[in-house]
Amino acid sequence: AQTVTQSQPEMSVQEAETVTLSCTYDTSENNYYLFWYKQPPSRQMILVIRQEAYKQQNATENRFSVNFQKAAKSFSLKISDSQLGDTAMYFCAFTSSGTYKYIFGTGTRLKVLA
Amino acid sequence: GAVVSQHPSWVICKSGTSVKIECRSLDFQATTMFWYRQFPKQSLMLMATSNEGSKATYEQGVEKDKFLINHASLTLSTLTVTSAHPEDSSFYICSARANPAAYEQYFGPGTRLTVT
Repeated sequence: AQTVTQSQPEMSVQEAETVTLSCTYDTSENNYYLFWYKQPPSRQMILVIRQEAYKQQNATENRFSVNFQKAAKSFSLKISDSQLGDTAMYFCAFTSSGTYKYIFGTGTRLKVLA
Repeated sequence: GAVVSQHPSWVICKSGTSVKIECRSLDFQATTMFWYRQFPKQSLMLMATSNEGSKATYEQGVEKDKFLINHASLTLSTLTVTSAHPEDSSFYICSARANPAAYEQYFGPGTRLTVT
């Protein structure tokens, strides 16, 4: 069975600094997708970035980028130039073509300090 | 595009009553919708997967007679919590896939249920 692990329950970063959130997963599938979602206090799930497993190039979206290490089954999120609005819960998620269900990690609560 | 709405956003009901939560895809047809439950400061727990026109598939440990899911059209799925009890109080989130080949889910804003 697939699992997703986020080993950092809470993190903090100074405004304008860079922070990296870690995520590891376990799967025997070859065709899968990984996501990072942000859940601010409003609790609306917001997609931050996605990565297709077949793509070697790491995904980037403005200040957000991932370090996807397929062999190590690692999928970390780097937030550059952190902003106060980045304060939120961040969830790593895995899905595959088998069921299309999401498997979420336990989340990392990120606080950006002024 | 790809907007999912939920109604109501917040509901209070008395113990023993039933409450229905609607999930709508506003600008796309959703072949598959998912229902999650989230307790405070915890992750999302998948409750069930619903496909339009067929019975929902429930995750292990989720009581299908208590959490009734209906996916009557390609834009609407409903979750009915029957005979609600205080322990059913939680945040319920739905999501939808835009097409059968798509991996990404689009999430609704959630519904906070409080059972008194």
